Amino acid sequence: SQQGEEDPQALSIQEGENATMNCSYKTSINNLQWYRQNSGRGLVHLILIRSNEREKHSGRLRVTLDTSKKSSSLLITASRAADTASYFCATDGGVDYKLSFGAGTTVTVRA
Amino acid sequence: DTGVSQDPRHKITKRGQNVTFRCDPISEHNRLYWYRQTLGQGPEFLTYFQNEAQLEKSRLLSDRFSAERPKGSFSTLEIQRTEQGDSAMYLCASSNEQGYEQYFGPGTRLTVT
Repeated sequence: SQQGEEDPQALSIQEGENATMNCSYKTSINNLQWYRQNSGRGLVHLILIRSNEREKHSGRLRVTLDTSKKSSSLLITASRAADTASYFCATDGGVDYKLSFGAGTTVTVRA
Repeated sequence: DTGVSQDPRHKITKRGQNVTFRCDPISEHNRLYWYRQTLGQGPEFLTYFQNEAQLEKSRLLSDRFSAERPKGSFSTLEIQRTEQGDSAMYLCASSNEQGYEQYFGPGTRLTVT
């Protein structure tokens, strides 16, 4: 079974708009990460937020984490066609660092 | 290119055949992970190695699955007597000692007919 759930399952936006997706998880975590996957390809690491952090930025990405609600959000600002991909949140809970992924949000950015 | 590589990228096999996949991690990474991803789902953890030691196996990894990492370098994942339900993308990832950020390979897409 998977740890997290992303919401929405799919998102379609116009180029230049912001995209926001949410992730909820079930058990306590050590870190939460967001990954991007282009169609049929491997995953690319985007950003990691530790359990004691509340917000993190990287370029056009902003991630928030609310451990009391067991939820995280990923905001992509000023979206581009190249941002079209599936986005997954992944959590790890301990020393083995194995990741538990959600089912992902598919983002389509229309030119 | 010093990223994680996987071979083959695609494999089509008939039910009942054995298949073996290879993963070459980033050279200085001592942790190596295998995940399986089916269509429309996120990756699911299968197993992981620290150096040559296999430290954990998921319940998803039936007796037909075996993974090795001889000498702590590349890893192989073998599936014996493949079934149609084994059709999936098999992803390999590696990380350094701290293990937080995992670097994924392009995956091997298995189709069992």
